[in-house]
Amino acid sequence: SQKIEQNSEALNIQEGKTATLTCNYTNYSPAYLQWYRQDPGRGPVFLLLIRENEKEKRKERLKVTFDTTLKQSLFHITASQPADSATYLCALAERGSYIPTFGRGTSLIVHP
Amino acid sequence: EPEVTQTPSHQVTQMGQEVILRCVPISNHLYFYWYRQILGQKVEFLVSFYNNEISEKSEIFDDQFSVERPDGSNFTLKIRSTKLEDSAMYFCASQPSSGLNQPQHFGDGTRLSIL
Repeated sequence: SQKIEQNSEALNIQEGKTATLTCNYTNYSPAYLQWYRQDPGRGPVFLLLIRENEKEKRKERLKVTFDTTLKQSLFHITASQPADSATYLCALAERGSYIPTFGRGTSLIVHP
Repeated sequence: EPEVTQTPSHQVTQMGQEVILRCVPISNHLYFYWYRQILGQKVEFLVSFYNNEISEKSEIFDDQFSVERPDGSNFTLKIRSTKLEDSAMYFCASQPSSGLNQPQHFGDGTRLSIL
């Protein structure tokens, strides 16, 4: 069966450190993978998209890697800040469909 | 920056009643979506809508559900004969086109509580 797995345990880190979140998938052939941020009671906010033929994407303090052999994406936030505390969702869309399937998300807590 | 707006923010309804959830997508967007998120669960796709018709729908989107774009700005989700398990956050999203690098923009949702 198809699965998108994100660590269900919250990630706690100190301010200034790099946060690394993981998204693993099975039985998907994704055309692209997206990362979203979701704050409590709010809708998801798009952060980054990476295509199947791309290895890495960066945007300011954010970096995403995509390894289709390992079937894994890593999402990094460098120089993390308490304002980065939120749930981060991985979503992937298969070739031929532009409808993303979401993982359950990982909660990030950045301590001052 | 333009936003997707949803109303109401919270809807409380008796089981068996009909509800209509409303969304105003970003004005120049062409693709519209509804998702739901049961408390503590993942965001789940319900339906996509383009050119005044449904383009894709999930298994969740059965005959109980319908969508409509009654005018040039609103996009609605109607749920008939609501059940307790329909309680969830419902998110509307819009997208300028279907191409890659065109992320979906989500509203802040309607919390639907069925009593």
